[in-house]
Amino acid sequence: GAGVSQSPRYKVAKRGQDVALRCDPISGHVSLFWYQQALGQGPEFLTYFQNEAQLDKSGLPSDRFFAERPEGSVSTLKIQRTQQEDSAVYLCASAFTDSGANVLTFGAGSRLTVL
Amino acid sequence: AQKITQTQPGMFVQEKEAVTLDCTYDTSDQSYGLFWYKQPSSGEMIFLIYQGSYDEQNATEGRYSLNFQKARKSANLVISASQLGDSAMYFCAMRDYTGRRALTFGSGTRLQVQP
Repeated sequence: GAGVSQSPRYKVAKRGQDVALRCDPISGHVSLFWYQQALGQGPEFLTYFQNEAQLDKSGLPSDRFFAERPEGSVSTLKIQRTQQEDSAVYLCASAFTDSGANVLTFGAGSRLTVL
Repeated sequence: AQKITQTQPGMFVQEKEAVTLDCTYDTSDQSYGLFWYKQPSSGEMIFLIYQGSYDEQNATEGRYSLNFQKARKSANLVISASQLGDSAMYFCAMRDYTGRRALTFGSGTRLQVQP
C-alpha cells in the first residue's frame, strides 16, 4: 500500500478484555516497529521486527503485551487482560531497511481506551 | 542509553515568521541519526528532516532546516516563513547506527502559529 495502515483507529475495551491491534506496513518494508504514545507524551518504543523475526521486545511493559509478524508483513499487537494504564495511542512504523539512516514511516495509530 | 530533551512544551509564532524548536541529545555512540517529526491533531507522525552525525553540512528540506551542533549535542529545528498549517506537535528523535534500531523520541513541543 501507499502508507502504513492501522486498524482499528479507535478501540474501547472494558478492563480485563483482550484486544488486538493490526498494522499493515508499506509493501516491501523489512523493519516494523510498535510504539506506545500516552497523552501529551512522545512515543515510547515497544518492539521491533526484521521480517518475521522479533529482534527487540525490550519495550514491552509486561507479559500481557505480545506482538507477532508471522509472514513478515502484517503485524498484530495483542494486549491481554487490559488495564486502565494501557490507554494510549499505539503507533506502528515501517522502514525499507534496517539501516540506521532509514526513515520510519508511521501509521495514524490505534487509540485504545480502557474503561 | 540515548536521551532526547525538548525543553519547550509550547511555542507561539506569528504567521510568516521563523521559529526555532530546541532539541538536545545524549548518546555514547559515535554514529547516529537525528530526525524531526511533525504530529498534527490527526495523529500521524510525519517525517520532516534527517541529519547524520557525520554530515558536515546542516540538513535542509524546503522551509525546514536543522541547526546541528555536534559538540553541544544539539539539533534544533528551524521553520522559516511559518504557516497556519504548521501548528502541530514536533518531536525530535534519534537512532544509532550500530545498536538498537528503534527511534528514541523527546517529549515534544507544541507549536501554534498565529495569524
